[in-house]
Amino acid sequence: EAGVTQSPTHLIKTRGQQATLRCSPISGHTSVYWYQQALGLGLQFLLWYDEGEERNRGNFPPRFSGRQFPNYSSELNVNALELEDSALYLCASSLGSGGTDTQYFGPGTRLTVL
Amino acid sequence: AQSVSQHNHHVILSEAASLELGCNYSYGGTVNLFWYVQYPGQHLQLLLKYFSGDPLVKGIKGFEAEFIKSKFSFNLRKPSVQWSDTAEYFCAVNSARGGGNKLTFGTGTQLKVEL
Repeated sequence: EAGVTQSPTHLIKTRGQQATLRCSPISGHTSVYWYQQALGLGLQFLLWYDEGEERNRGNFPPRFSGRQFPNYSSELNVNALELEDSALYLCASSLGSGGTDTQYFGPGTRLTVL
Repeated sequence: AQSVSQHNHHVILSEAASLELGCNYSYGGTVNLFWYVQYPGQHLQLLLKYFSGDPLVKGIKGFEAEFIKSKFSFNLRKPSVQWSDTAEYFCAVNSARGGGNKLTFGTGTQLKVEL
C-alpha cells in the first residue's frame, strides 16, 4: 500500500512569492492534515480537510490556505512568503474523521524562503 | 490552550539500557494520546496510541506507554533499547475540545543509543 506522498521534496522561493505544496493521501483516506515543522517551534497544526471541506485551522495567518480536491488530494498555498515560513511542511491523512483515527504522515516538503 | 510537554530534549543511552520518556499534557477532558517516532531520514510513523481501556498500551518494536490520568501523563518506555532505536520521539494529543482531529505535538525527544 502506497503511503502519503508529497511534492515537491524541496522548494526554494524568495520573499513575497507564493508557494504551492501538494499532497496525495493513502488510498481510501478522506481526511488530510497539514502541519508545519519549523526549527525551534516543533510540529504545529495548520489545516484539516475532510470530504473537500476545511474543518479546522491552526493559529496561522490567512495567507496560509489550501483546498482538497474530489480525489481527496490536497494543496497548501502560502502567499506573500516571509523568511519565517521556511520549514518542513508535513501532510498526513486518516481513514476517517474521528479523533481516534491514526494520522499517517508523508515525507514532507522542505520550503526555503530567501 | 491545549499543550504537550516533553521534558527530555536529548537522551543518550547505551544499548540494553532501559528507556523512559516523559510526556505531560495540559487538558483534563477526554483525550486521545499518541507517540510517533521519526528515524533518521524517514518520515513520522506511529509507535502506539491510547484512546480508552487498559491504560498500559503496547506498540511496535517493544515500546509501551502508560496513561496516568491523575498525572496527565503518557510516558513512553522500553525495557532494553537497541542502536536502531536512535530517533526523535514525539508525543501528541488530540481532544474534542482541543479542535477534534488536530494533533498537538510536544517538542520531541532526540534519543541516541550508543553501542
